[in-house]
Formats: sequence, structure tokens, C-alpha cells
Amino acid sequence: DAGVIQSPRHEVTEMGQEVTLRCKPISGHDYLFWYRQTMMRGLELLIYFNNNVPIDDSGMPEDRFSAKMPNASFSTLKIQPSEPRDSAVYFCASSLAGLAGGRMYNEQFFGPGTRLTVL
Amino acid sequence: EDQVTQSPEALRLQEGESSSLNCSYTVSGLRGLFWYRQDPGKGPEFLFTLYSAGEEKEKERLKATLTKKESFLHITAPKPEDSATYLCAGTSGTYKYIFGTGTRLKVLA
Repeated sequence: DAGVIQSPRHEVTEMGQEVTLRCKPISGHDYLFWYRQTMMRGLELLIYFNNNVPIDDSGMPEDRFSAKMPNASFSTLKIQPSEPRDSAVYFCASSLAGLAGGRMYNEQFFGPGTRLTVL
Repeated sequence: EDQVTQSPEALRLQEGESSSLNCSYTVSGLRGLFWYRQDPGKGPEFLFTLYSAGEEKEKERLKATLTKKESFLHITAPKPEDSATYLCAGTSGTYKYIFGTGTRLKVLA
């Protein structure tokens, strides 16, 4: 498997523009996560999906952010309008959760990230 | 509030100089403690999962341990290629991870 695929790898845009980040999870995984990483705040969970359904979006900073997962192999994170404070690296991760030996497993596997710069 | 704290923030070691990284957690009902390695410009790479106090996992020069309050990542005789940021995360079983801010490790040849 190619792992989690994200595009674009780098995005530079101007304040006020719409930005769309894309993610293809590992085939067969049933959870998908969007994170944002900054030097100040580290890795922050924005939203996660289970079987294409959004489960928890409490980390989405504000209404300018939206995420969709139209099918099991594709998800988008959209920022509209973008602001300079949105500049960060955005990661997508996927996992296959379940039980084995009485223990829950849900290791998350990360993509390479999208470095977003909003001027 | 669930929280994961890592120390030190940064660590410089000479090649072969063993040391440990610390991850303290206050995650109610911890169901898993995870260690990741992150290289510059890349996504975090999964290393270990620990489930209960007393558990240990090893991989090459790395060994992760877990107590009721903290986890350690021991690095034995590190090499320059071990230089990276090491992240730990805890989960209470809701599939949400709480990440620490990481330890930046630099191993000098």
C-alpha cells in the first residue's frame, strides 16, 4: 500500500482565498483524521470520520473550516476564506480500529502533510 | 482535562550516549499510549503502542515503557540517524489522540 496520500504538498495563497486540501486514506481503514501542526500548539486534532461520517469536529477552529468525506477513499479539508493565522502543516491520518486479545487497537498512520502558507 | 506533557523539549546526545525521553499523561481511563517519530518535513511515523502499566516494547535501539503516570522512551547507544522529533500521544478509547509537543533529539557523530 502507498500509505496515506495528501495533496498538494505545499500551498501558498493570499488571504481571503479558498484553500482545499485533499487526502486519500489507506485502503480498508475505517477512520480518518485531520490534524494541524504548528510550532506553538503542536499537533491538534481538527475532525475525524468513521466510515465516512463525521464523528467529532470540536477541534475545527471556526466556521471557515469544513471537511467532507464523500467516500471511503477521499476526504477534503476546506478553508474559506483563508487567513494568515491558518498557516501551518495539515496532516491527514487513517486507522483501522478494532479489538485483539481484549485490547482496542487504533494506531493512526499519517500522510506526508500539506504545508499551507497564507500571505 | 486530558493532557500529555513531554520532556525535555530538546536533547543533544553524543553517538553512543544512552538516554531517556519522558511522557507524562493525565488521560482519564487511558486505553493506549503511542510513540511516534517525526523527521523534518514528514508526517509522524508510528513506533509503539503501550496498553497497560508494566508493558514494554522494543525496536532496534528504542525501548518504550509505561507506568501508571508516565511513559519513557529509552534510546540505547543512539546513532545520528536516530535524530528526529519523538511524539507521544494518549487516548481514552474514543479514537481521539492527545499529543504532547514532542522532544527534539539530535545525536552528534
